[in-house]
Amino acid sequence: DGGITQSPKYLFRKEGQNVTLSCEQNLNHDAMYWYRQDPGQGLRLIYYSQIVNDFQKGDIAEGYSVSREKKESFPLTVTSAQKNPTAFYLCASSSGLNRGSYNEQFFGPGTRLTVL
Amino acid sequence: EDQVTQSPEALRLQEGESSSLNCSYTVSGLRGLFWYRQDPGKGPEFLFTLYSAGEEKEKERLKATLTKKESFLHITAPKPEDSATYLCAVRSEYGNKLVFGAGTILRVKS
Repeated sequence: DGGITQSPKYLFRKEGQNVTLSCEQNLNHDAMYWYRQDPGQGLRLIYYSQIVNDFQKGDIAEGYSVSREKKESFPLTVTSAQKNPTAFYLCASSSGLNRGSYNEQFFGPGTRLTVL
Repeated sequence: EDQVTQSPEALRLQEGESSSLNCSYTVSGLRGLFWYRQDPGKGPEFLFTLYSAGEEKEKERLKATLTKKESFLHITAPKPEDSATYLCAVRSEYGNKLVFGAGTILRVKS
């Protein structure tokens, strides 16, 4: 089955720890994204990547880091610099960011991160 | 700055009671308006893309329409399984990202 997988489903972090959230897709999509979702707010873009070895900051990149070494994978690290990391994290992918196309984004199941 | 506002924040319907959800937007050169359904604790599920004013798309009991300023998601004779949060997002001609609204929480009671 083609799709996007995220792991773990639940993650608990202690103060001062860095944690890494996994996102893998087998849709052969070029573009991948990370969003954060908080109660009562829309999805907010953290980072996105259009091609391998390239990524750009979104609206709320501070305290986060990413890598894109493979087309299928786009892991997100939540660093200790992120002051309020408790949230639901969603990974998405799309066929590309070509301005001439509309590129629906498809989402993974999410990871819920809680700071203890 | 691109903006999306969804209303109402929450909507409670009886089974079979048709209604509409609203998505108002301001964007520089619309390059797509997207509707998603999200169940609690899960990722959003893609429903529709609308490209230009006057366009309509349907899927089962859902029908999405688009004007130059807003989109409506019409739900005809809803069932309890239609209960979810419905998200709207837009992409502008000059942006590389989607801008999401906060969503409408729909509850359908039998």
